[in-house]
Amino acid sequence: AQSVTQLGSHVSVSEGALVLLRCNYSSSVPPYLFWYVQYPNQGLQLLLKYTSAATLVKGINGFEAEFKKSETSFHLTKPSAHMSDAAEYFCAVSTGGGNKLTFGTGTQLKVEL
Amino acid sequence: GAGVSQSPSNKVTEKGKDVELRCDPISGHTALYWYRQSLGQGLEFLIYFQGNSAPDKSGLPSDRFSAERTGGSVSTLTIQRTQQEDSAVYLCASRGRGSTDTQYFGPGTRLTVL
Repeated sequence: AQSVTQLGSHVSVSEGALVLLRCNYSSSVPPYLFWYVQYPNQGLQLLLKYTSAATLVKGINGFEAEFKKSETSFHLTKPSAHMSDAAEYFCAVSTGGGNKLTFGTGTQLKVEL
Repeated sequence: GAGVSQSPSNKVTEKGKDVELRCDPISGHTALYWYRQSLGQGLEFLIYFQGNSAPDKSGLPSDRFSAERTGGSVSTLTIQRTQQEDSAVYLCASRGRGSTDTQYFGPGTRLTVL
């Protein structure tokens, strides 16, 4: 079985500040890990993914995440937040078997002036 | 190119009625998934199609839910005798042939059961 825990259902940062969204996973086999973003009334858009290549993954819009096996973590970061980053972010894991995604409960990111 | 499309975008129905939700995947994508997003349950997997193989139905919450994929392309999710707890956004995603390929999501169908 696999699962994902996202710490903090709501995160608020100031524009220009560091964004850190936390994700820990549980998996009995090597996982694939994903971060998706969802803007209001829209579907999910992939930010980045880890599929067992480089552990530091760079994605779109300046986001990146580092796979740390020892900590079973895949935290999402961005050095400087923009107002346009305000959205809900989902971490997800898949472990083969069709690559069905198991999602975390999501983190709502608010960016303040 | 065109992304994943879903129709209708919104559906309001009365309890007990049947509904059909449609998904048009990205052309050439062999894998198709249905997920459900609800306030109480978050994002959860429902069903997965891969080519001509038997679908993985392990996420369907009850036998009122079924799905088919015709000709390896368009998929329809059917909910029979809808209940209020079926109210949710139903998301479809498609993926290319590679196991590491990205799942691309459609905009979803918001289902409201009165």
